[in-house]
Amino acid sequence: EIVMTQSPATLSVSPGERATLSCRASQSVSSNLAWYQQKPGQAPRLLIYGASTRATGIPARFSGSGSGTEFTLTISSLQSEDFAVYYCQQYNNWPLYTFGQGTKLEIK
Amino acid sequence: EVQLVQSGAEVKKPGESLKISCKGSGYSFTSYWIGWVRQMPGKGLEWMGIIYPGDSDTRYSPSFQGQVTISADKSISTAYLQWSSLKASDTAMYYCARHGAIDAFDIWGQGTMVTVSS
Repeated sequence: EIVMTQSPATLSVSPGERATLSCRASQSVSSNLAWYQQKPGQAPRLLIYGASTRATGIPARFSGSGSGTEFTLTISSLQSEDFAVYYCQQYNNWPLYTFGQGTKLEIK
Repeated sequence: EVQLVQSGAEVKKPGESLKISCKGSGYSFTSYWIGWVRQMPGKGLEWMGIIYPGDSDTRYSPSFQGQVTISADKSISTAYLQWSSLKASDTAMYYCARHGAIDAFDIWGQGTMVTVSS
């Protein structure tokens, strides 16, 4: 099983600032990496797939990068609605998909 | 509109059986895999398994193999997750999600909360 490790567990950032979230895979997943956002009481929402492609309707302030084992989600200028939990997921090892444990992005 | 609509919250006792549902609409239900994801209270997302409604090909995470059964009825565009004997540790929110052409889970159901308590 591919283990996905996210860091940090909690990130405190002020509105308007940049947030950088990390995700590491225990072995290469190529670019088969997605990022999801989950707000309290809501289902997850797909943000990024293919490591760097924004899903439909996702604002340009969200960007993804990386390949192999190291990935980053960057939110360029945090808006109030961006404070949530973010999960990475690898889908390289079909059908044994795995999620990271999540990063909580909170208001500083 | 493409959507997945899940059945409502359930409260069950240990040892009881349960089947929850996920109905797809707005797209060709038989052409996309549907996955199930568990989220225990205050915890992260866990991938449970996936089914292709077109032919009911089903795959499970090793962690959930033998613990749950995933099925689908393509005639009514509905996927199911079922338990034969619930445990308190099955208490969680369960999400279904469509495995899109982009390979990630692009459409999610609203979730079904399952509470198992004596």
